[in-house]
Amino acid sequence: KAGVTQTPRYLIKTRGQQVTLSCSPISGHRSVSWYQQTPGQGLQFLFEYFSETQRNKGNFPGRFSGRQFSNSRSEMNVSTLELGDSALYLCASSRGTSGGVNTQYFGPGTRLTVL
Amino acid sequence: QKEVEQDPGPLSVPEGAIVSLNCTYSNSAFQYFMWYRQYSRKGPELLMYTYSSGNKEDGRFTAQVDKSSKYISLFIRDSQPSDSATYLCAMSSQTGANNLFFGTGTRLTVIP
Repeated sequence: KAGVTQTPRYLIKTRGQQVTLSCSPISGHRSVSWYQQTPGQGLQFLFEYFSETQRNKGNFPGRFSGRQFSNSRSEMNVSTLELGDSALYLCASSRGTSGGVNTQYFGPGTRLTVL
Repeated sequence: QKEVEQDPGPLSVPEGAIVSLNCTYSNSAFQYFMWYRQYSRKGPELLMYTYSSGNKEDGRFTAQVDKSSKYISLFIRDSQPSDSATYLCAMSSQTGANNLFFGTGTRLTVIP
């Protein structure tokens, strides 16, 4: 069974630009969550999409947005990049069903550097 | 104050040692507690999860939750060099929730 894939793996942008990151979940998984990982803050939840609808949202500014397609693939967009957006962006997929713990499977991440 | 606090380490131990990793939290609504392991240049992978208070054992790993103290622990027995990784605690308040609250991670090195 193929794991979660994220593209691109590395990205360098300049301040003010925008960026789109892509995530392909494990086949059969309908939930995709996005996290930002930085050395100082650790992993912070951005948002979760389930069946093309945003189901949960973290405490990030509106510059961070996402969407999910009918095949459960998801994209995350960051507009007007700031230096502080430099981070590892992780995508996690799960079945998304209620009850108990939804095991989330993480991709390898996209390393974004903002210059 | 962050909702989940974790000693970042780094922690360096000899092979075969018992390792204790800990997190504290402030939100009493948290009910689901997880430990993830993250190797360099990889995404986190779920090691163990527990619901509410109590202990859970899986091979060399034991997870403990003390809700009265808002304190969780992961013990690794007979540590191996392959256990060298960053260990992250995570927790949530809702059943089936995917919006997890993570600690910053503890970097562990097991020396052969």
